Amino acid sequence: AQRVTQPEKLLSVFKGAPVELKCNYSYSGSPELFWYVQYSRQRLQLLLRHISRESIKGFTADLNKGETSFHLKKPFAQEEDSAMYYCALSGYSSNYQLIWGAGTKLIIKP
Amino acid sequence: ETGVTQSPTHLIKTRGQQVTLRCSSQSGHNTVSWYQQALGQGPQFIFQYYREEENGRGNFPPRFSGLQFPNYSSELNVNALELDDSALYLCASSPTARDNGYEQYFGPGTRLTVT
Repeated sequence: AQRVTQPEKLLSVFKGAPVELKCNYSYSGSPELFWYVQYSRQRLQLLLRHISRESIKGFTADLNKGETSFHLKKPFAQEEDSAMYYCALSGYSSNYQLIWGAGTKLIIKP
Repeated sequence: ETGVTQSPTHLIKTRGQQVTLRCSSQSGHNTVSWYQQALGQGPQFIFQYYREEENGRGNFPPRFSGLQFPNYSSELNVNALELDDSALYLCASSPTARDNGYEQYFGPGTRLTVT
């Protein structure tokens, strides 16, 4: 079955510290992986996707097919990074519909 | 460019009633997806409409139904409401059904409470 697991409901780190938000997935085939973010009082928006290999707002994510992971990382957290982060996947086996993790709330302490 | 809009913002219904939620897609987008997001959970896919046809459905019963109109706006209808239907309902539009790396643009959501 296709599944996305975000093991941490809440992650709290100090400003300037490194951040890693974990995402593991179960999927038959080659999925497309995404990170979406929701800042306070704003709507869900795409942060990055693995196929574009971009770094957005200092965040990067590497698809590790061996470990079936797509962890989101940032070397130096900023207070404006505080938000809800969702990992999601899509692909042929899910008829290209997005399957979402439960989300991780990231809090950056000053 | 107009973003995705949803109406109403909040809604309170009684168990057994029916509800219709509305979504206007972003200009130039022909695909609309609906999601249910329960408290503390990620969005759950309900269904998608592409050019007025249903283009995929999640694990939701038939009392969840939808429509897409020629202007690509969409409705989500839920019959025989149950208490567990209480959730945030999200609408997302995208330029096409599957070929764009699947970036979806979300509306603000409709908060449905069933009592």
